[in-house]
Amino acid sequence: RKEVEQDPGPFNVPEGATVAFNCTYSNSASQSFFWYRQDCRKEPKLLMSVYSSGNEDGRFTAQLNRASQYISLLIRDSKLSDSATYLCVVNPTWDDKIIFGKGTRLHILP
Amino acid sequence: DAGVIQSPRHEVTEMGQEVTLRCKPISGHDYLFWYRQTMMRGLELLIYFNNNVPIDDSGMPEDRFSAKMPNASFSTLKIQPSEPRDSAVYFCASRPGGQGDQPQHFGDGTRLSIL
Repeated sequence: RKEVEQDPGPFNVPEGATVAFNCTYSNSASQSFFWYRQDCRKEPKLLMSVYSSGNEDGRFTAQLNRASQYISLLIRDSKLSDSATYLCVVNPTWDDKIIFGKGTRLHILP
Repeated sequence: DAGVIQSPRHEVTEMGQEVTLRCKPISGHDYLFWYRQTMMRGLELLIYFNNNVPIDDSGMPEDRFSAKMPNASFSTLKIQPSEPRDSAVYFCASRPGGQGDQPQHFGDGTRLSIL
């Protein structure tokens, strides 16, 4: 099993819809989790950290399910500008290194 | 605030040549990471430094790759000799000290093409 796995997509979603995708991780001792966003030919940028109790930032909601070892990202009222690749990031231990998933591509359709 | 600064943005060179990529981390950040990104393999960690000291270079593909961090504000990644399979986007990232719950901040990347 890969350390961090994501559905590569693409997810093609009409503007205004709600979309959600998950990311599974293999190390049950993983301590910290993030979602990054990467636009085409750009660098990854932090979208949000994922906290144990779940957290929300505007239209974005992140959840952590430790029992099933996955994190999720939900985007409400999607905008054209949400089109990007979303990278799941896991810190397997209280360590310096983090592991990136290969990303889920999202296309918001007008 | 100045982010992570990388240079050059693009590099095209012939195989066998030496390539040097440069990175200036965010001031005050203790950690610096070098990544390589390709379509096939995604984002791979090559090496990282803590307080200018290399901590883990297990991701460096082979001896042709080397990295240095002579001071807190500058790091280089060198490939000598370069090969076509080294073509990729190379990112530098930095983060503050503390535990791994601090997010990393990425530079714009260097798009490297080896002919």
